[in-house]
Amino acid sequence: EPEVTQTPSHQVTQMGQEVILRCVPISNHLYFYWYRQILGQKVEFLVSFYNNEISEKSEIFDDQFSVERPDGSNFTLKIRSTKLEDSAMYFCASSSSGAGLGEQYFGPGTRLTVT
Amino acid sequence: GENVEQHPSTLSVQEGDSAVIKCTYSDSASNYFPWYKQELGKRPQLIIDIRSNVGEKKDQRIAVTLNKTAKHFSLHITETQPEDSAVYFCAAVMDSSYKLIFGSGTRLLVRP
Repeated sequence: EPEVTQTPSHQVTQMGQEVILRCVPISNHLYFYWYRQILGQKVEFLVSFYNNEISEKSEIFDDQFSVERPDGSNFTLKIRSTKLEDSAMYFCASSSSGAGLGEQYFGPGTRLTVT
Repeated sequence: GENVEQHPSTLSVQEGDSAVIKCTYSDSASNYFPWYKQELGKRPQLIIDIRSNVGEKKDQRIAVTLNKTAKHFSLHITETQPEDSAVYFCAAVMDSSYKLIFGSGTRLLVRP
């Protein structure tokens, strides 16, 4: 069964540094998402992406964040100038259908630790 | 904006008993309600979902019910097994939106 994959599984960075989290969505999916989960808390939506542009974003997704689909398979989340409070598990997800319609399948996550 | 409340936060049951987790949502425009199971350190896994034109859906030992009038939906697990132990999240999606709005999660412990 196809799965969403993410790399790296764990990223440690110093405050102020830039990080890029990578995801490979399920191959026939067209909609891509990033969520984050601070330890012990619920999963929070960051951004959705379709047809090479952001379709929806949350208040969390400020100018510090950006997303990109640099080629036909990868989907990346860049965090510029990381802060301590960015420490969380970041999940990528993908779906075949769009707004309000499709099941979203999650990757295994990247644990980001900002020191 | 949309908000999803989930109860209880923890639930401990004896193996073989049933478990029920309840969620309420605030926006009547919500039309899709998935449930995810998350084991420690793992990804959220979709286990069942329901759409607003359906009142109940069942898949083996798992069922979900939806009451649109009251704006609440529930997960029912029958004949619980130790491997059902995990954190369960409900979520809601509004019509015309892409984002899953998650509840705060229920930690289910099934005692052998």
